Amino acid sequence: NAGVTQTPKFQVLKTGQSMTLQCAQDMNHNSMYWYRQDPGMGLRLIYYSASEGTTDKGEVPNGYNVSRLNKREFSLRLESAAPSQTSVYFCASSEGGQGRYFGPGTRLTVT
Amino acid sequence: AQKITQTQPGMFVQEKEAVTLDCTYDTSDQSYGLFWYKQPSSGEMIFLIYQGSYDEQNATEGRYSLNFQKARKSANLVISASQLGDSAMYFCATGSLNFGNEKLTFGTGTRLTIIP
Repeated sequence: NAGVTQTPKFQVLKTGQSMTLQCAQDMNHNSMYWYRQDPGMGLRLIYYSASEGTTDKGEVPNGYNVSRLNKREFSLRLESAAPSQTSVYFCASSEGGQGRYFGPGTRLTVT
Repeated sequence: AQKITQTQPGMFVQEKEAVTLDCTYDTSDQSYGLFWYKQPSSGEMIFLIYQGSYDEQNATEGRYSLNFQKARKSANLVISASQLGDSAMYFCATGSLNFGNEKLTFGTGTRLTIIP
């Protein structure tokens, strides 16, 4: 039981490049989330998916797209990376409201 | 709308003493949860404790307890008998318990340093 996994763990991009962050969970949770964490700040929600086939914007969705590929997987795509997207990205999943389980994070640097 | 306020950017506490980390919240939800997470220097987010808005008893998990005062909109984390390994960032968060709307709102965190 791996919980929530994310790939890659580290990534460096140049401005304008694209990439996809992958997230998978093996807890059979319906809800999945993408957050970003900037220095000195708490986590801010980018997008979430309440169930397979649905996605909704969070607090800071601009510059991102998501895909809920199936119940297990929820990917985050940066189409044209900008330095302002330098951050640590966390994927999370939950079921029933009581638990929110986070992946280990992806540290992204955009130069 | 939801908001979390953590007013202590940093705290220094002697090992073995008890610690209280403050958290106040604001939410328009009738049914909500309160969460505390620990983030050590390694960066992962570790779930510590949860309190539901309808729970009358304060939640406890080992050395962690959540002092829930609904009228004051307060959800302080208490760590008993602090240890060096408790040094970390601590985040308070709130989220709706309504299905399909379970996203969390986080505070800015408190950096706790345990002094030997």
